[in-house]
Amino acid sequence: KAGVTQTPRYLIKTRGQQVTLSCSPISGHRSVSWYQQTPGQGLQFLFEYFSETQRNKGNFPGRFSGRQFSNSRSEMNVSTLELGDSALYLCASSLAPEIKAFFGQGTRLTVV
Amino acid sequence: GENVEQHPSTLSVQEGDSAVIKCTYSDSASNYFPWYKQELGKRPQLIIDIRSNVGEKKDQRIAVTLNKTAKHFSLHITETQPEDSAVYFCAASSPYSSASKIIFGSGTRLSIRP
Repeated sequence: KAGVTQTPRYLIKTRGQQVTLSCSPISGHRSVSWYQQTPGQGLQFLFEYFSETQRNKGNFPGRFSGRQFSNSRSEMNVSTLELGDSALYLCASSLAPEIKAFFGQGTRLTVV
Repeated sequence: GENVEQHPSTLSVQEGDSAVIKCTYSDSASNYFPWYKQELGKRPQLIIDIRSNVGEKKDQRIAVTLNKTAKHFSLHITETQPEDSAVYFCAASSPYSSASKIIFGSGTRLSIRP
């Protein structure tokens, strides 16, 4: 069974631009969560989707948004990028919300 | 708001000795507690999890204990080996709750000395 796939793996963007990251969950998994990982802040919860519905959202500004499609694939979008948005963005999928979540390799975003 | 505190932030133990990482959580509604291991440059991987109806769970050299009254849970690694070197994250959540969000601790960097 294929694991959680995130694309792209690496991304360099300029301040003010927007970016879209993609996450394909394990087949059959309907829950997808997104996290921001930085050296100083650890793993910060962004949002979680289950069956195309956003169940919960972390404490991030409205520039961070996401969605989930009917095939459970998820995207997250960051608009008006700031230098502080540079981080590793991880998604995790699970059969049921939060239970036994499996992480993707992440997308490393660098904002210059 | 919800918070998970994890200690210590770094831990160095001699190969073969035991390592213990401790976490406390603030949300009394939390009932699911996973632990993840993240090796350098790799994704976090689930190594063990426990639900609130269980006080202890063991999987070979790894065990997790939970004290719901004190809101504490701990990871115990026995007979440590070099491949145990990694960053370990604890987490707490209340799955199925519409207001749930999984909260991670800040991580513990475990180093195993040969």
